[in-house]
Parts: sequence; structure tokens; C-alpha cells
Amino acid sequence: GAVVSQHPSWVICKSGTSVKIECRSLDFQATTMFWYRQFPKQSLMLMATSNEGSKATYEQGVEKDKFLINHASLTLSTLTVTSAHPEDSSFYICSAYPGGVYSNQPQHFGDGTRLSIL
Amino acid sequence: QKEVEQNSGPLSVPEGAIASLNCTYSDRGSQSFFWYRQYSGKSPELIMFIYSNGDKEDGRFTAQLNKASQYVSLLIRDSQPSDSATYLCAGNNNAGNMLTFGGGTRLMVKP
Repeated sequence: GAVVSQHPSWVICKSGTSVKIECRSLDFQATTMFWYRQFPKQSLMLMATSNEGSKATYEQGVEKDKFLINHASLTLSTLTVTSAHPEDSSFYICSAYPGGVYSNQPQHFGDGTRLSIL
Repeated sequence: QKEVEQNSGPLSVPEGAIASLNCTYSDRGSQSFFWYRQYSGKSPELIMFIYSNGDKEDGRFTAQLNKASQYVSLLIRDSQPSDSATYLCAGNNNAGNMLTFGGGTRLMVKP
């Protein structure tokens, strides 16, 4: 149980392109989904938190107009990297939280998307 | 600033030994603590989590929590080369839905 599907697994594209990444919880409803970014040999960095039907909450330093997040349903969140540039190249990972507030459940991670901007 | 601290390692243990991974946290509001394993180039996968003081065992893994000392640990018995990975410790927030991650400890199990 608790499977999170993330697509695509890797993307290589030209600078200036917009890239959309999908994150789906397959066997549970996710009250909250999270988007992380990880650079080589560094730890996870939380980019934003999204709740179904409401605007995402972005961490300090993350440009909301560049990283568009849509959480249209309890099983789907998308991250769109707009006008991507080489410095946006990274490993993007989503996670889904199955519990309600105060339930202390773990987050379950997707397999990640490796984004390379040429 | 709520923090979770881990020794970055690498921690090197021989095959068959017990690997002990440690973590301290600053947020006393954290209720649950989670251990994730991350292989190079892959996303984190949940090993186990703990929310009560004491020990919790699952197969070769034992998580330990001491809330008074704000200390969490993960013991891996009979370590295997396939256990070589980075282990991430995380604590949740008051509402339970957000995690603060430590920087991870890299474990190397040598045959």
C-alpha cells in the first residue's frame, strides 16, 4: 500500500522550455502533497506544500511564478517548471501525506524526476 | 529554527555487524520520527517510524526514541552490503503533516 507514482522519471530539454511533472497517490487519498528538490550530494529541500483545492505554500526563496503547483484532486498534484534554465536542473521529488491533521502518518515519496536543462 | 541533526558520515561497518545511526532534534513539538533510506540517485523510502519513548523493532531494524534527550536512533542488525545508503532522519511538526529532515548519514557496509 501507500504507492506514489511520479512521472516522468527523467526529462532533458532545452533552456526556455516549460516542464510539467505529475505526482499521483495510487491507493490512498493525500490530504497534502509536498514537492522537494535535491541537488547532488545534498539533502532534500522542501519547495512547497500543496493542499487539494487551495493555493500552494512556497518555502522562502522558491519563486512561485517559476514553479507552478496545482493540486486538482486528492490524488494528483502537478509541478510545472516554467521557462526552465540550466540552474533548474535537479532531482525533483514529490511526496504524499495520507493522514489528517494530527494523525502522525509518514509521507510517502514518488520515485523522483531528474530534470536536465541544456 | 527547527532542526534535525545527523552526522554526515560516512559510517563504515563490516558485513554482519550492527550499524548505529543517530539523530537529535530541537522541536519538542515533534510527535513522530521517521527513518528513510535513500540509495544514490533514488528517492527516499520509508524504513520505519516511532512516536513512543523506547524501542520499536521491525525485522533487522530497531528505532529508539528518547524524548527527554531529544534523541532518535536506528540500529541495523546483521548489516548487509545492500544496506549501504544514506539514512535520513525526520521529525514531524505539531500538526503531524510536515517533516523536517536531517542532512542524512551515509552508511557503508563492507563485505
